[in-house]
Amino acid sequence: QVQLVESGGGVVQPGGSLRLSCATSGFTFSTYGMQWVRQAPGKGLEWVALIRHDVTTKYYADSVKGRFTVSRDNSKNTLYLQMNSLRTEDTAVYYCAKDGPYWGDFSWGQGTMVTVSS
Amino acid sequence: DIVMTQSPLSLPVTPGEPASISCRSSQSLLSSNGNNYLDWYVQKPGQSPQLLISLGSTRASGVPDRFSGSGSGTDFTLKITRVEAEDVGVYYCMQALQTPLTFGGGTKVEIK
Repeated sequence: QVQLVESGGGVVQPGGSLRLSCATSGFTFSTYGMQWVRQAPGKGLEWVALIRHDVTTKYYADSVKGRFTVSRDNSKNTLYLQMNSLRTEDTAVYYCAKDGPYWGDFSWGQGTMVTVSS
Repeated sequence: DIVMTQSPLSLPVTPGEPASISCRSSQSLLSSNGNNYLDWYVQKPGQSPQLLISLGSTRASGVPDRFSGSGSGTDFTLKITRVEAEDVGVYYCMQALQTPLTFGGGTKVEIK
């Protein structure tokens, strides 16, 4: 079955960088779009970024545009999120999600916690 | 951006009784292909979100038939015919028509 395992979270100072990974299995990774969604402590869900199966098409939330970069390695079945210039408001659990036949119908990972604090 | 508005914010329910959650979008989610790009997710305590309903009314694999989704355009409803204790959690609607994808604020379902 579909498995998504995020890693790379941790504590980082404001202005710092972090790279999240999402290792996948159970489906043909190269044929599906992938997403990042985050959830600040005690808050709701916020979409962060998506990358289509073709690798080149990417979209970002305004709140992270210019600071975060989504990428994927279809040979390694892995999704990435490079996060630069981190702010305290980026503190959240970051989930990776697999698209269905459209930009939705998500299958979710278990999430990885990112804490931005001095 | 499409704004998603859910109500109520909190929904105390008695086991065995029905429950209903409303989700409204600021723009129509009905595409020219006839699909409504509206998903429902539930996040149970301490867990990741999980898909309940896709395209407004299609139950995901393994979801009990007491859950149903309906609506079109800008007005959608998630119904639980008979709430069970395991249904507690926060329910979110999400529009998948255009970026940025946007979620409703969530409805917390709890047992009375």
